[in-house]
Amino acid sequence: SSELSQDPAVSVALGQTVRITCQGDSLRSFYASWYQQKPGQAPILVISGKNNRPSGIPDRFSGSKSGNTASLTITGAQAEDEADYYCNCRDITGNQWLFGGGTQLTVL
Amino acid sequence: QVQLQESGPGLVKPSETLSLTCAVSGFSISSGYYWGWIRQPPGKGLEWIANIYHSGTTYYNPSLKSRVTISVDTSKNQFSLRLSSVTAADTAVYYCAREAYDVLTSWGQGTLVTVSS
Repeated sequence: SSELSQDPAVSVALGQTVRITCQGDSLRSFYASWYQQKPGQAPILVISGKNNRPSGIPDRFSGSKSGNTASLTITGAQAEDEADYYCNCRDITGNQWLFGGGTQLTVL
Repeated sequence: QVQLQESGPGLVKPSETLSLTCAVSGFSISSGYYWGWIRQPPGKGLEWIANIYHSGTTYYNPSLKSRVTISVDTSKNQFSLRLSSVTAADTAVYYCAREAYDVLTSWGQGTLVTVSS
């Protein structure tokens, strides 16, 4: 399958931990990258590779992978983390890019 | 720090060709990496369109391949997208981005293109 699947919406209480998942066959071969997108803004990279955070991304964001599932974990979610999150990786051939459908995170 | 800026018409008529350019600053395209286009219809998710390497090697989304051309102009440090025979379904915010080691590390701010007569 050349798709990445994400839950459409997830909610978390302020200060609690939330995991956003991404499933797809390509994830058995490639790591996912995760992008945060707030309304009216371009996506920004929050996690890439095994568990790499770009400069400026809080350490409450972390990534992991097991089999065909990649996860983005936010430990101690903050109000400013409310956003859409997209996973992304190459497809099995390595010649195309795939995006998950996105997960809308609500911080309660 | 690399910066990307999309430009092009905000309104395109149905059946015509959409043309966008991404100007790159702070980094020379000739130095390497892949450069690509991604789009996002209003209220929907991200869709990869195409990538190009600085040498000209291209990769296209199979669902759009018959209508898309991506090109690079290293002399102007920019790359471009052409999408032919557009319909209302091509209305979207179009982003350009740099891919470094399998990661979309830098994005433009995006430009909204509306297909309408």
